[in-house]
Amino acid sequence: AQTVTQSQPEMSVQEAETVTLSCTYDTSESDYYLFWYKQPPSRQMILVIRQEAYKQQNATENRFSVNFQKAAKSFSLKISDSQLGDAAMYFCAYSNTPLVFGKGTRLSVIA
Amino acid sequence: SAVISQKPSRDICQRGTSLTIQCQVDSQVTMMFWYRQQPGQSLTLIATANQGSEATYESGFVIDKFPISRPNLTFSTLTVSNMSPEDSSIYLCSVEHRGNTEAFFGQGTRLTVV
Repeated sequence: AQTVTQSQPEMSVQEAETVTLSCTYDTSESDYYLFWYKQPPSRQMILVIRQEAYKQQNATENRFSVNFQKAAKSFSLKISDSQLGDAAMYFCAYSNTPLVFGKGTRLSVIA
Repeated sequence: SAVISQKPSRDICQRGTSLTIQCQVDSQVTMMFWYRQQPGQSLTLIATANQGSEATYESGFVIDKFPISRPNLTFSTLTVSNMSPEDSSIYLCSVEHRGNTEAFFGQGTRLTVV
């Protein structure tokens, strides 16, 4: 069975600085998707970024980028120029219909 | 994409009663999922709601406690039955289109059982 591990229960970052959230996963599949979801206090799950496993190029979405290492089964999220609105729970997820989620990382942004 | 309307957004219920949560999707989807998120925790899958057949429940969740309906491809309900304080959680519905390109979520229902 696929598993997703987020080893950082909590992280903090100064406003305008950069932070990296870690995620590792386990699978025997060769083709799959990986996701980072953000959950602010409003509870709404918001897709931050998506990576297709067969694409070697790391996905980017504005201030958000990933470091996808397929052989190492690692999928970290980098947030650049952190903003107060980035404070939230971040979940790494693996596509298996339904998604398999990690335990989450609570990110605090310090003004 | 898909837009999901989930109701109610929150409720406070007496123990022993039941609450039905509704999810309406703006497009036809094959697979709908119900999750529970206990305070400060990740999402735990309760069941997969299949149109035209009974829901498929995950280990630790049973139909008598969490009956699910899926009358058509755009709507589903989850009932939390005979509630106890341990059922206090956020409940979310989700849909995925074929190809696993993205999952879409309802706004969540924050349930408090007193």
